[in-house]
Amino acid sequence: KAGVTQTPRYLIKTRGQQVTLSCSPISGHRSVSWYQQTPGQGLQFLFEYFSETQRNKGNFPGRFSGRQFSNSRSEMNVSTLELGDSALYLCASSLGDRRDIQYFGAGTRLSVL
Amino acid sequence: GESVGLHLPTLSVQEGDNSIINCAYSNSASDYFIWYKQESGKGPQFIIDIRSNMDKRQGQRVTVLLNKTVKHLSLQIAATQPGDSAVYFCAETAGGGNKLTFGTGTQLKVEL
Repeated sequence: KAGVTQTPRYLIKTRGQQVTLSCSPISGHRSVSWYQQTPGQGLQFLFEYFSETQRNKGNFPGRFSGRQFSNSRSEMNVSTLELGDSALYLCASSLGDRRDIQYFGAGTRLSVL
Repeated sequence: GESVGLHLPTLSVQEGDNSIINCAYSNSASDYFIWYKQESGKGPQFIIDIRSNMDKRQGQRVTVLLNKTVKHLSLQIAATQPGDSAVYFCAETAGGGNKLTFGTGTQLKVEL
């Protein structure tokens, strides 16, 4: 069974641009969650999508948004990039219940210049 | 300017010794806990989980202990191997949805 796939693996953008990251969950998983990992703040929850609906949201500004498609694939968008958005963005998928194990992808490394 | 990173506690152990990694949590409503291992350049990898109605759970070479009274979680790794070198995170969840709250992590270094 294929794991969680995130594309692209690396991205370089400049301030003010926008970026879209993609996540393909494990087959059969309906929940996709996004996390931001930085040296300064550690791993922080961004949001979770389940059956195409945002079910949970973390404390990030509205520049961070996401969506989920009918095949459970998810995208995350960051608009008006800031230097502080440089981070490893991780996607995790699970069957859907909050006590189901979340499996992580390798992440997308975003560098904002 | 340069960002200040989180100070990751480091645990150094000799190959073959047992390792104990500790984690304190603050949310008394948390009822599900997970340990993840993250190697350089990779995403977190699931190790073991435990629900709040248990105080101990064992896996292959790993044991998780939960003390809800003092809100403390520990991960024990038996016969630590070089491949165990990584950063270990505890995570917890409470309430609805899949929101994991992660600890700051512990760097485990296995010396030969």
